[in-house]
Amino acid sequence: IAGITQAPTSQILAAGRRMTLRCTQDMRHNAMYWYRQDLGLGLRLIHYSNTAGTTGKGEVPDGYSVSRANTDDFPLTLASAVPSQTSVYFCASSEVGTGELFFGEGSRLTVL
Amino acid sequence: GQNIDQPTEMTATEGAIVQINCTYQTSGFNGLFWYQQHAGEAPTFLSYNVLDGLEEKGRFSSFLSRSKGYSYLLLKELQMKDSASYLCAALDSNYQLIWGAGTKLIIKP
Repeated sequence: IAGITQAPTSQILAAGRRMTLRCTQDMRHNAMYWYRQDLGLGLRLIHYSNTAGTTGKGEVPDGYSVSRANTDDFPLTLASAVPSQTSVYFCASSEVGTGELFFGEGSRLTVL
Repeated sequence: GQNIDQPTEMTATEGAIVQINCTYQTSGFNGLFWYQQHAGEAPTFLSYNVLDGLEEKGRFSSFLSRSKGYSYLLLKELQMKDSASYLCAALDSNYQLIWGAGTKLIIKP
Protein backbone atom coordinates (compact mmCIF):
# COMPACT_ATOMS: atom_id res chain seq x y z
CA ILE A 1 0.00 0.00 0.00
CA ALA A 2 1.43 3.35 -1.05
CA GLY A 3 2.01 5.88 1.68
CA ILE A 4 4.35 6.97 4.42
CA THR A 5 6.04 4.68 6.89
CA GLN A 6 7.41 5.91 10.20
CA ALA A 7 9.56 4.00 12.67
CA PRO A 8 9.56 3.42 15.53
CA THR A 9 5.86 3.80 16.40
CA SER A 10 6.72 4.28 20.05
CA GLN A 11 9.92 4.79 22.02
CA ILE A 12 10.95 5.60 25.57
CA LEU A 13 14.28 7.34 25.73
CA ALA A 14 16.61 8.51 28.48
CA ALA A 15 17.47 12.20 28.48
CA GLY A 16 20.75 12.93 26.75
CA ARG A 17 20.48 10.02 24.33
CA ARG A 18 20.56 10.41 20.56
CA MET A 19 17.51 9.26 18.62
CA THR A 20 16.61 9.08 14.95
CA LEU A 21 13.02 8.81 13.77
CA ARG A 22 12.77 7.28 10.33
CA CYS A 23 10.34 8.29 7.59
CA THR A 24 9.98 6.77 4.13
CA GLN A 25 7.44 7.57 1.42
CA ASP A 26 6.73 5.83 -1.87
CA MET A 27 4.51 8.45 -3.50
CA ARG A 28 7.45 10.29 -5.12
CA HIS A 29 6.41 13.54 -3.43
CA ASN A 30 9.04 16.23 -3.52
CA ALA A 31 7.99 17.91 -0.28
CA MET A 32 8.35 16.25 3.12
CA TYR A 33 7.72 17.57 6.63
CA TRP A 34 8.24 16.74 10.28
CA TYR A 35 5.66 17.94 12.80
CA ARG A 36 5.25 17.50 16.51
CA GLN A 37 1.82 17.44 18.07
CA ASP A 38 1.24 18.30 21.72
CA LEU A 39 -2.08 18.50 23.51
CA GLY A 40 -3.72 21.88 23.04
CA LEU A 41 -1.01 23.18 20.71
CA GLY A 42 -1.86 21.53 17.44
CA LEU A 43 0.68 20.61 14.80
CA ARG A 44 3.97 22.50 14.85
CA LEU A 45 6.41 22.28 11.98
CA ILE A 46 9.95 21.24 12.95
CA HIS A 47 11.73 20.96 9.60
CA TYR A 48 10.75 20.55 6.00
CA SER A 49 12.28 19.73 2.63
CA ASN A 50 10.97 20.79 -0.77
CA THR A 51 13.29 18.54 -2.74
CA ALA A 52 16.10 16.05 -2.23
CA GLY A 53 19.25 17.79 -1.07
CA THR A 54 17.53 20.80 0.53
CA THR A 55 16.00 21.33 3.97
CA GLY A 56 14.45 24.24 5.84
CA LYS A 57 13.62 25.19 9.41
CA GLY A 58 10.07 25.30 10.62
CA GLU A 59 8.50 26.84 13.68
CA VAL A 60 10.30 24.73 16.34
CA PRO A 61 13.62 23.48 14.89
CA ASP A 62 15.88 23.75 17.95
CA GLY A 63 17.25 20.42 19.14
CA TYR A 64 16.35 18.64 15.89
CA SER A 65 18.14 18.00 12.61
CA VAL A 66 17.07 16.44 9.33
CA SER A 67 18.63 15.25 6.10
CA ARG A 68 17.20 14.54 2.65
CA ALA A 69 19.65 12.40 0.75
CA ASN A 70 16.99 11.13 -1.66
CA THR A 71 13.33 11.67 -2.52
CA ASP A 72 11.95 8.86 -0.36
CA ASP A 73 13.66 9.24 3.02
CA PHE A 74 13.53 12.07 5.55
CA PRO A 75 14.96 11.08 8.96
CA LEU A 76 14.64 13.33 12.01
CA THR A 77 17.43 13.24 14.60
CA LEU A 78 17.39 14.39 18.20
CA ALA A 79 21.07 14.85 19.02
CA SER A 80 20.61 14.91 22.80
CA ALA A 81 17.02 14.30 23.87
CA VAL A 82 15.39 16.42 26.58
CA PRO A 83 12.07 15.82 28.38
CA SER A 84 10.41 18.74 26.55
CA GLN A 85 10.81 16.72 23.37
CA THR A 86 8.27 14.23 24.65
CA SER A 87 5.59 14.37 21.97
CA VAL A 88 3.95 12.62 19.06
CA TYR A 89 5.93 13.15 15.87
CA PHE A 90 4.30 13.02 12.44
CA CYS A 91 6.09 12.81 9.12
CA ALA A 92 4.15 13.99 6.07
CA SER A 93 4.63 14.46 2.35
CA SER A 94 2.96 16.40 -0.45
CA GLU A 95 3.42 17.82 -3.88
CA VAL A 96 5.36 21.07 -3.54
CA GLY A 97 3.11 24.10 -3.14
CA THR A 98 -0.02 22.25 -2.02
CA GLY A 99 -1.62 21.87 1.38
CA GLU A 100 -2.86 18.34 0.85
CA LEU A 101 -0.50 16.44 3.08
CA PHE A 102 -0.26 12.70 3.53
CA PHE A 103 0.76 11.73 7.06
CA GLY A 104 2.53 8.76 8.52
CA GLU A 105 1.01 6.98 11.51
CA GLY A 106 3.12 8.90 13.99
CA SER A 107 5.92 8.13 16.43
CA ARG A 108 5.18 8.55 20.12
CA LEU A 109 8.38 9.57 21.90
CA THR A 110 8.79 9.80 25.66
CA VAL A 111 11.98 11.31 27.06
CA LEU A 112 12.61 10.59 30.73
CA GLY B 1 1.56 37.44 13.04
CA GLN B 2 -0.15 34.45 11.54
CA ASN B 3 -2.99 32.87 13.43
CA ILE B 4 -5.77 30.32 13.10
CA ASP B 5 -8.67 30.29 15.57
CA GLN B 6 -11.18 27.51 16.02
CA PRO B 7 -13.21 26.31 19.01
CA THR B 8 -11.49 23.84 21.31
CA GLU B 9 -14.42 21.47 21.69
CA MET B 10 -17.96 20.98 20.43
CA THR B 11 -20.69 18.49 21.25
CA ALA B 12 -23.47 17.35 18.91
CA THR B 13 -26.09 14.63 18.69
CA GLU B 14 -26.04 11.66 16.34
CA GLY B 15 -28.09 12.42 13.21
CA ALA B 16 -27.84 16.19 13.66
CA ILE B 17 -25.84 18.88 11.83
CA VAL B 18 -22.80 20.68 13.24
CA GLN B 19 -20.80 23.64 11.95
CA ILE B 20 -17.18 24.11 12.99
CA ASN B 21 -15.91 27.64 12.44
CA CYS B 22 -12.38 28.78 11.67
CA THR B 23 -10.94 32.27 11.30
CA TYR B 24 -7.50 32.89 9.91
CA GLN B 25 -4.92 35.64 9.60
CA THR B 26 -1.99 34.83 7.33
CA SER B 27 0.62 36.66 5.30
CA GLY B 28 -0.77 35.85 1.89
CA PHE B 29 -3.30 33.13 1.23
CA ASN B 30 -3.23 30.13 -1.04
CA GLY B 31 -6.08 28.04 0.27
CA LEU B 32 -7.90 26.74 3.34
CA PHE B 33 -7.75 23.09 4.33
CA TRP B 34 -9.69 20.88 6.73
CA TYR B 35 -8.31 17.66 8.16
CA GLN B 36 -9.91 14.98 10.33
CA GLN B 37 -7.93 13.29 13.09
CA HIS B 38 -9.31 10.39 15.11
CA ALA B 39 -7.82 9.90 18.55
CA GLY B 40 -4.44 8.18 18.36
CA GLU B 41 -4.31 8.39 14.57
CA ALA B 42 -2.78 10.61 11.91
CA PRO B 43 -4.64 13.55 10.34
CA THR B 44 -6.32 12.86 7.01
CA PHE B 45 -7.26 15.43 4.38
CA LEU B 46 -10.96 16.33 4.15
CA SER B 47 -11.39 19.43 2.00
CA TYR B 48 -9.78 22.38 0.25
CA ASN B 49 -11.17 25.83 -0.58
CA VAL B 50 -9.34 28.57 -2.43
CA LEU B 51 -12.30 30.48 -3.90
CA ASP B 52 -15.23 31.94 -1.98
CA GLY B 53 -18.17 29.63 -1.62
CA LEU B 54 -19.25 26.18 -0.61
CA GLU B 55 -17.59 22.92 -1.56
CA GLU B 56 -19.73 19.85 -0.94
CA LYS B 57 -18.41 16.34 -0.56
CA GLY B 58 -21.02 13.89 0.62
CA ARG B 59 -22.04 14.58 4.21
CA PHE B 60 -19.24 17.12 4.59
CA SER B 61 -19.18 20.66 3.17
CA SER B 62 -16.65 23.44 3.56
CA PHE B 63 -17.22 27.16 3.09
CA LEU B 64 -14.76 29.98 2.55
CA SER B 65 -15.02 33.77 2.70
CA ARG B 66 -11.64 35.28 1.80
CA SER B 67 -12.74 38.84 2.55
CA LYS B 68 -13.69 37.84 6.11
CA GLY B 69 -10.84 35.40 6.69
CA TYR B 70 -13.44 32.82 7.62
CA SER B 71 -14.23 29.21 6.89
CA TYR B 72 -16.52 26.57 8.29
CA LEU B 73 -16.84 22.82 8.03
CA LEU B 74 -20.40 21.53 7.98
CA LEU B 75 -21.09 17.93 8.93
CA LYS B 76 -24.57 16.56 8.22
CA GLU B 77 -26.31 13.40 9.42
CA LEU B 78 -23.74 12.96 12.14
CA GLN B 79 -22.54 9.45 12.88
CA MET B 80 -20.68 8.21 15.93
CA LYS B 81 -17.62 7.64 13.74
CA ASP B 82 -17.47 11.41 13.13
CA SER B 83 -16.20 11.84 16.70
CA ALA B 84 -12.72 13.21 16.03
CA SER B 85 -10.67 16.38 16.02
CA TYR B 86 -11.07 18.66 13.01
CA LEU B 87 -8.03 20.73 12.06
CA CYS B 88 -8.24 23.96 10.09
CA ALA B 89 -5.12 25.07 8.21
CA ALA B 90 -4.32 27.95 5.84
CA LEU B 91 -1.64 27.91 3.17
CA ASP B 92 0.35 31.15 3.36
CA SER B 93 2.29 33.10 0.74
CA ASN B 94 5.32 30.80 1.19
CA TYR B 95 3.09 27.76 0.63
CA GLN B 96 3.51 26.69 4.25
CA LEU B 97 0.50 25.43 6.20
CA ILE B 98 -0.49 27.40 9.29
CA TRP B 99 -2.45 25.09 11.60
CA GLY B 100 -5.17 25.70 14.12
CA ALA B 101 -5.08 23.75 17.38
CA GLY B 102 -8.06 21.66 16.29
CA THR B 103 -11.68 21.27 17.38
CA LYS B 104 -12.57 18.11 19.27
CA LEU B 105 -16.04 17.02 18.19
CA ILE B 106 -17.95 14.77 20.58
CA ILE B 107 -20.99 12.96 19.19
CA LYS B 108 -23.62 11.79 21.65
CA PRO B 109 -26.26 9.15 20.89
